[in-house]
Amino acid sequence: GENVEQHPSTLSVQEGDSAVIKCTYSDSASNYFPWYKQELGKRPQLIIDIRSNVGEKKDQRIAVTLNKTAKHFSLHITETQPEDSAVYFCAASHWGISGTYKYIFGTGTRLKVLA
Amino acid sequence: DTEVTQTPKHLVMGMTNKKSLKCEQHMGHRAMYWYKQKAKKPPELMFVYSYEKLSINESVPSRFSPECPNSSLLNLHLHALQPEDSALYLCASSQGFLAGTDTQYFGPGTRLTVL
Repeated sequence: GENVEQHPSTLSVQEGDSAVIKCTYSDSASNYFPWYKQELGKRPQLIIDIRSNVGEKKDQRIAVTLNKTAKHFSLHITETQPEDSAVYFCAASHWGISGTYKYIFGTGTRLKVLA
Repeated sequence: DTEVTQTPKHLVMGMTNKKSLKCEQHMGHRAMYWYKQKAKKPPELMFVYSYEKLSINESVPSRFSPECPNSSLLNLHLHALQPEDSALYLCASSQGFLAGTDTQYFGPGTRLTVL
């Protein structure tokens, strides 16, 4: 079945450095790719998303890139801060014309930003 | 109001009990979702309601019974659960398929423990 692979599972960076998390999806029909940040005991919160007709999107320190041909997309966080520490999930989604719906999360990356 | 709310925050129930989880949103969203999230795992989609109709049931056991009384409310009725059903149950909403976007906004979740 469809799946989304996410790497790495854990990532430690020094404060001020950049962090990159990568996801690969299998369903070529996927057309929407959100990234969520989930702090311990809290809800997943959308931090950035990208649609299949766009190759890159940036919002302040956060950016996402999409390579549809290779079926992978990446999250880039620059100038990391301790409050960026959390679990990050990617997801791949699409609504099918026949009424099917897929919203599949990656396995998550635990990011630790060391002060 | 840009939030999805869920009640209760915590629930402990025995295997013979019947309980319900509640979710509410006032963003005018027409799609609502139930997810199950086990510790250190990504959310797993259980049900999707689109325009108050159940459109997706991801092969969830019948001891979980969803209900969508109106466009703002989503319930999950629980009966004869098993200890392995203990998890964080997340509700989410989005504008809906016809809106051309499926950015999902999550509620804080109900942490369920089945004894």
